Amino acid sequence: QQQVKQSPQSLIVQKGGISIINCAYENTAFDYFPWYQQFPGKGPALLIAIRPDVSEKKEGRFTISFNKSAKQFSLHIMDSQPGDSATYFCAGTSGSRLTFGEGTQLTVNP
Amino acid sequence: DGGITQSPKYLFRKEGQNVTLSCEQNLNHDAMYWYRQDPGQGLRLIYYSQIVNDFQKGDIAEGYSVSREKKESFPLTVTSAQKNPTAFYLCATRGQGYAREPQHFGDGTRLSIL
Repeated sequence: QQQVKQSPQSLIVQKGGISIINCAYENTAFDYFPWYQQFPGKGPALLIAIRPDVSEKKEGRFTISFNKSAKQFSLHIMDSQPGDSATYFCAGTSGSRLTFGEGTQLTVNP
Repeated sequence: DGGITQSPKYLFRKEGQNVTLSCEQNLNHDAMYWYRQDPGQGLRLIYYSQIVNDFQKGDIAEGYSVSREKKESFPLTVTSAQKNPTAFYLCATRGQGYAREPQHFGDGTRLSIL
């Protein structure tokens, strides 16, 4: 049972463009929604996270938008750079457990 | 140097063989996790442990076993019962100093069948 659906599976943007990745969740027990960034051959690293009582969180070029009623949240990467090319995972936290989306492979062309 | 160390980085298994993946941490975190990563399927939880000498099954525990004899170590054994073991295995830890503390990941072990 996939409790977090992520789209798109892959995304190609030009340098300076906006990258948008969307996630939808089913489990209303989730109480925290992190995004992880993973480079090839490495483990995922926490990028940014949001609580469900907040509608938006911004850290530098990265912004999470959260819609609790729709059970959806998204990651926006402004002014995308080639160094942002990586796989991005959304997730939901319930207690000490994380449930991940399927991942989005982002490629930023120079 | 603080962190999570997974070894080996690459591992090959013969048919019918058990293999053990190592995960060591010096972050003094109580909770440790094992995930399996397959292309297009995200990370799936195999086992997790919130305290020494205790662990729980995750979503795909069949064919795997773990132990947690020390706080610093959480080895994963991939048994011969796991018929499709080829994957990237990730270990994670989590402190419990505050609510919503994130999980931190090691750099993984890639397991392949010979």
